[in-house]
Amino acid sequence: DAKTTQPNSMESNEEEPVHLPCNHSTISGTDYIHWYRQLPSQGPEYVIHGLTSNVNNRMASLAIAEDRKSSTLILHRATLRDAAVYYCILRDEGGGSTLGRLYFGRGTQLTVWP
Amino acid sequence: NAGVMQNPRHLVRRRGQEARLRCSPMKGHSHVYWYRQLPEEGLKFMVYLQKENIIDESGMPKERFSAEFPKEGPSILRIQQVVRGDSAAYFCASSPREGQSSPLHFGNGTRLTVT
Repeated sequence: DAKTTQPNSMESNEEEPVHLPCNHSTISGTDYIHWYRQLPSQGPEYVIHGLTSNVNNRMASLAIAEDRKSSTLILHRATLRDAAVYYCILRDEGGGSTLGRLYFGRGTQLTVWP
Repeated sequence: NAGVMQNPRHLVRRRGQEARLRCSPMKGHSHVYWYRQLPEEGLKFMVYLQKENIIDESGMPKERFSAEFPKEGPSILRIQQVVRGDSAAYFCASSPREGQSSPLHFGNGTRLTVT
């Protein structure tokens, strides 16, 4: 599985923007970059995904480096409800039986201070 | 539209007993995935199923563990003769189809405790 590297933890104040980095230097051409988050005692929740271009949705933005070796998840205004573990995952969309096999790693624990 | 439903939420079993974990995917989803999360660790893939077929079981232990997703009814993850090391949170996810346009939707898990 292609691996990603994320900081173990980050902190932010409420209503401030948060930039969560992810390095994926061994990314292949068919790998999509997915982000999930996991709140305490809950299952992971899909946040956003992209291939090459920056992406925006109601939850967050995803900025992807031109060489695709890194990406950044941007929460525009952090709230207390955004405190969670954020996972950056590479998903091979080349097809086949491995599509369901997401490698979660340890993720980044985001703490949001009021 | 109900999300992925898992039950029970908590399950306690003695060593040697059987554990059966159920997962009802979101309506219209025919792909189911099971993951396990040990304390203080990330989620680990176990098995990927479509209706009546196991597509990828590369993450599932060869012994004592089995999974099914019948034509009718929920997906079942079955653990026979449980041991203390099986204590973990087991998460089920579903998607409507394969491909990058189908993010996985996860349930809130079953927390298995083996005493």
